[in-house]
Amino acid sequence: DAKTTQPTSMDCAEGRAANLPCNHSTISGNEYVYWYRQIHSQGPQYIIHGLKNNETNEMASLIITEDRKSSTLILPHATLRDTAVYYCIATIPYISNFGNEKLTFGTGTRLTIIP
Amino acid sequence: GAGVSQSPRYKVAKRGQDVALRCDPISGHVSLFWYQQALGQGPEFLTYFQNEAQLDKSGLPSDRFFAERPEGSVSTLKIQRTQQEDSAVYLCASSLDRVRTNQPQHFGDGTRLSIL
Repeated sequence: DAKTTQPTSMDCAEGRAANLPCNHSTISGNEYVYWYRQIHSQGPQYIIHGLKNNETNEMASLIITEDRKSSTLILPHATLRDTAVYYCIATIPYISNFGNEKLTFGTGTRLTIIP
Repeated sequence: GAGVSQSPRYKVAKRGQDVALRCDPISGHVSLFWYQQALGQGPEFLTYFQNEAQLDKSGLPSDRFFAERPEGSVSTLKIQRTQQEDSAVYLCASSLDRVRTNQPQHFGDGTRLSIL
């Protein structure tokens, strides 16, 4: 898995868009970018993933740069419930990795939503 | 509930005791994972099952750690002769299958193990 680098912590005002950056400059062509988050005392929760196109779902948007060396997770209207540690992971999906599907988490970004 | 269920939520044991942690994956999920999360760190992979087959156990820290999934559903992580460094949150995750790509892993809320 490619190494990812994230800021240790970030604050965001409630109601504003939270933009969480991730650097993955050594990402290979077949590695996807996944985002998970972990709310205190809970297990990680899948948010979104992408390869090279921007993606959007009901939770967030993922913007991947054209060179794929970095990406940004966007929470469009942050609420207090979005306070969590956010993990950016670059990995090969299992279908092409012969079943080795493990996720390699770093230390993530601790996002605090300020009322 | 349709999520991954882990029990117990909290476990306190004395050093040297054996412990067993249970994971009930989402019904029908083929893949099952165990992770260990130390305080302030991200989860670290321990082992992976596809149905009842343990395909990867490269993350198990020592031979005191043993995992099984005999019928391809419920899994148990057993730690023998526990030591203080085993104190951590143990997370279980499951995902649908290998055929469809990019199936996300669904995590339980973990078992917090404290070794005294």
